[in-house]
Order: sequence, then structure tokens, then C-alpha cells
Amino acid sequence: ETGVTQSPTHLIKTRGQQVTLRCSSQSGHNTVSWYQQALGQGPQFIFQYYREEENGRGNFPPRFSGLQFPNYSSELNVNALELDDSALYLCASSHSGGGHNEQFFGPGTRLTVL
Amino acid sequence: AQSVTQLGSHVSVSEGALVLLRCNYSSSVPPYLFWYVQYPNQGLQLLLKYTSAATLVKGINGFEAEFKKSETSFHLTKPSAHMSDAAEYFCAVREGNQAGTALIFGKGTTLSVSS
Repeated sequence: ETGVTQSPTHLIKTRGQQVTLRCSSQSGHNTVSWYQQALGQGPQFIFQYYREEENGRGNFPPRFSGLQFPNYSSELNVNALELDDSALYLCASSHSGGGHNEQFFGPGTRLTVL
Repeated sequence: AQSVTQLGSHVSVSEGALVLLRCNYSSSVPPYLFWYVQYPNQGLQLLLKYTSAATLVKGINGFEAEFKKSETSFHLTKPSAHMSDAAEYFCAVREGNQAGTALIFGKGTTLSVSS
């Protein structure tokens, strides 16, 4: 069974640029959630995708957007990057529709904005 | 809104000593609670979860946690610390319904283990 994978591992961008992060969900999972973890903080919920639609959103501005594809993989897009966007971005997959929706996390993408 | 508070940003123990990491929650409904561990430069790994089945929950690597509704607590314990337990630990509460759920995390507790 393949776990959650994310790419790239590390990324360096400059302020104002746009970035796309990718996530492949665990086999059998149909839901993907994205979290932002700033240095020294706990992860913060950005949004969740289920059946290719946004299914819940945290307190993040519209320049944070996402997609989910038919194979349940997902992208996180951030426009007009700001210095405070520097963080570890975590993707988690789960199966909605039964059980307790346990979320399994990928290793994360470390984004640095200069 | 639900929330969790982790008391103590840093806990230091000696190898073989008891580990106690504190977590208090705030929830208007029966909560689903989780403890995750994060090793340096890695993602989060689930240690254990409380889903109302039993108040004492056993997890991986010898960790366990007890749900105490009267104290709104879900503290994580391990009888004997090992050097490999050194990591960041996060308590989380699930928010939302079954269709759409988010995990609300505490700020984390760094566990250091000395020999």
C-alpha cells in the first residue's frame, strides 16, 4: 500500500511569485486536506477536497486555492507569495463516507519565500 | 469552535523516566481527539486516537492517553522514555461532520530525552 506522497520536497520562491504543490493520496482514499505549518507552530487547516470540490476551508485568503483530480490526487496553488507563506505544507488523505476519517499525512513540502 | 491547548512547549526527561505530555480540549460536542508525533523534517504520524469507544487509549510505541471529560483533558503518557521518543508531539481535535472534517492542532510540545 502506497502512502501519501508530496512533491517537491523543497521549494524556494520570491515574493509575488506563484507556486503549485502536489499531493498523491493513499490508495483507497477519496479526500485530501492541506495544512500549513509555520516554524515552531502546529499545522493549520487550509482546506479539504472531496469528490473534486472544496469541502471545507480554514482562515486562509483566496490566493490559496486547490484542485482535486479524478484519481484523488490534489494540488495546492498559492498566488502572490508573501514572506509569511514560508512554511511546511502538509497534505493528508482520508476516506470519507464511513469510519472516523483518520487522516494520513505526507512528508510535506518546505516552501521558502525570499 | 473547538480548540486544544498543550501545556508546556518543551518537556525534558531522562531515559527510562515517565513521559507526560498535557493536552486540554474545548468542544461543545463529544470530541474525537488525536495525538500525532513529528520527527525532524518529516510529516505527522498518528500515535493514537480517542473516538468515544474507551477512555483509555493505547497507541503505538508504548504510548497511551486517557480521556477525562470532567477535566476536558487527553494527556499522553509513556511509562519509560527511550531516546528514540525525542520528537515534536501534537494534540488535535477533529472539527466538522463526517463529510467534511478538519483537524485543529495545538502548538506542540517538544520532547527531549537525555541519557
